[in-house]
Amino acid sequence: QVQLQESGPGLVKPSETLSLTCAVSGYSISSGYYWVWIRQPPGKGMEWIASIYHSGSTYYNPSLKSRVTISMDTSKNQFSLKLTSVTAADTAVYYCAKLDSSSWSENSLFDSWGQGTLVTVSS
Amino acid sequence: SYEVTQPPSVSVSPGQTASITCSGDKLGDKYAYWYQQKPGQSPLVVIYQDTRRPSGIPERFSGSNSGNTATLTISGTQAMDEADYHCQAWDTSTVVFGGGTKLTVL
Repeated sequence: QVQLQESGPGLVKPSETLSLTCAVSGYSISSGYYWVWIRQPPGKGMEWIASIYHSGSTYYNPSLKSRVTISMDTSKNQFSLKLTSVTAADTAVYYCAKLDSSSWSENSLFDSWGQGTLVTVSS
Repeated sequence: SYEVTQPPSVSVSPGQTASITCSGDKLGDKYAYWYQQKPGQSPLVVIYQDTRRPSGIPERFSGSNSGNTATLTISGTQAMDEADYHCQAWDTSTVVFGGGTKLTVL
């Protein structure tokens, strides 16, 4: 069974960079599937941020693309998110998740999720 | 950019049928997915590819998608079904979520 665990600072100052890591256990991320970041502001709906495949293929939400970098460290079996120039609007619970496919397509669903980590942007 | 819209809240009496809608331009031409999220928990898919139910999801959960609207239907709603439900669709290579619907069973 695949398990995902987010980690990173719970508080980030405005204009700084938010950095999160997702540690994966139970499956080698270099073997396949897309790995994604999704966030949920308090009391609001979810927002897909970015996705990555071990080949280096990435997809980004166009609304966040200019500020987001997703990367993968297969030696540590983890993937990471960096979001620059954060504002209060970036305050959210950040989830890492796994797509059930190695093809980034509409036939796929998110079948494993981390527990989520709350990141607050405040001075 | 593509958007899908859900009602913020839906209420249902125990044992009755709950319907949660998700609207988007020509949504019926895309697949709709539904995720259930209980307080403090991560989302769980309850319906995928419009109508399919993952193993372990009760038969009372069903889905449909036609025209501009996808619908999640819960028949014989139970108290344990009280949760937030999120609609999700794909637009080319972009994943889109609705704002979520809080289902209250009262």
